[in-house]
Amino acid sequence: QKEVEQNSGPLSVPEGAIASLNCTYSDRGSQSFFWYRQYSGKSPELIMFIYSNGDKEDGRFTAQLNKASQYVSLLIRDSQPSDSATYLCAVNLSGGFKTIFGAGTRLFVKA
Amino acid sequence: DVKVTQSSRYLVKRTGEKVFLECVQDMDHENMFWYRQDPGLGLRLIYFSYDVKMKEKGDIPEGYSVSREKKERFSLILESASTNQTSMYLCASSFWGQGSSSGNTIYFGEGSWLTVV
Repeated sequence: QKEVEQNSGPLSVPEGAIASLNCTYSDRGSQSFFWYRQYSGKSPELIMFIYSNGDKEDGRFTAQLNKASQYVSLLIRDSQPSDSATYLCAVNLSGGFKTIFGAGTRLFVKA
Repeated sequence: DVKVTQSSRYLVKRTGEKVFLECVQDMDHENMFWYRQDPGLGLRLIYFSYDVKMKEKGDIPEGYSVSREKKERFSLILESASTNQTSMYLCASSFWGQGSSSGNTIYFGEGSWLTVV
């Protein structure tokens, strides 16, 4: 059974701080990794994807991938109250047919 | 922008009814998916399809079937609804991609909230 693990949280950070969200996965052959944000009662929306080891930056968001450790993270700089949501890590499994999701980490940004 | 449209946002059905959830995508994506999302259990894959008339079971296919007669349309069918199928259902689509492309990125519809009483 292929798995994606995330700390369910909640993770609480003050406004302006860096929020760090972590994810581990079990399928060593996975190639593509994704972070989604989901507000309560809404569907997940893509924040960014990453496929190479290292960092990928997009605005206030940085995704980090370490395939040797099977570890993906998301950093949110200058966190805002509007960033309060559940963040889902997703992994496209080797073979490309299936994407599985972690259960998500709830983030609260306190004003 | 990718558009995945789920025609029914909120439904209330009775136990034993047959339920159809319809989904249409406008980006010519090969792959389409049905997930359900429940508190504490996250997103679970019910069925997916990588081509017209093709379907593959996901992790929780029991009690569900699907239909994909056209590339843009993927339907989820609950043959005989039960109360444990009360959930939010998410349709999604993606295109094939390898390595550095944005392929395999899942794009979701707005969700269908189904209550079975």
